Amino acid sequence: DVKVTQSSRYLVKRTGEKVFLECVQDMDHENMFWYRQDPGLGLRLIYFSYDVKMKEKGDIPEGYSVSREKKERFSLILESASTNQTSMYLCASSLLGVRAKNIQYFGAGTRLSVL
Amino acid sequence: ELKVEQNPLFLSMQEGKNYTIYCNYSTTSDRLYWYRQDPGKSLESLFVLLSNGAVKQEGRLMASLDTKARLSTLHITAAVHDLSATYFCAVDPSLDDKIIFGKGTRLHILP
Repeated sequence: DVKVTQSSRYLVKRTGEKVFLECVQDMDHENMFWYRQDPGLGLRLIYFSYDVKMKEKGDIPEGYSVSREKKERFSLILESASTNQTSMYLCASSLLGVRAKNIQYFGAGTRLSVL
Repeated sequence: ELKVEQNPLFLSMQEGKNYTIYCNYSTTSDRLYWYRQDPGKSLESLFVLLSNGAVKQEGRLMASLDTKARLSTLHITAAVHDLSATYFCAVDPSLDDKIIFGKGTRLHILP
């Protein structure tokens, strides 16, 4: 089974803090994604990466950055956390290519509260 | 801009009843996904529909895809409480490995 592990289930941070959310997958997937999930808004893509050191902006990249130094690890960084970044953050991974059917496998999520 | 719209967004139903969730999308896509999310949990893949007319079934859930109408349905037969969850549809219109999610349908099945 594919396993996508997010380092924290719950985080509480102060406004202005630098926040790191870590995600690790164990199935050698090329693609990795960061979403945020808010009530009534569904899942919105923040960033995705299709290879080591490669990244592309999603729909809502403002206030976030990412790092992918190793294939299995994809980090989401909030440079200066703000209260409007309080949300559930979901990491996902998938195999590259049409044959893989692009099924995304999700981690358990990190619920971040910024006070 | 691609839109993925689910209808209804919230559904409360009795056990034993049948119902259908609809997913409309605004641009061509040959791949459509259904995911389930239990409260406080992450998303789990239910179905992948890869062509027009595709139908997939598992247990009391059946999903279908009409690419010409840009419509997918998730049909629930004789609902049971364990099916209470939020169901998301998603499409992959550009085959670039990014998928676009609908807002989700929160299904509450009353015993």
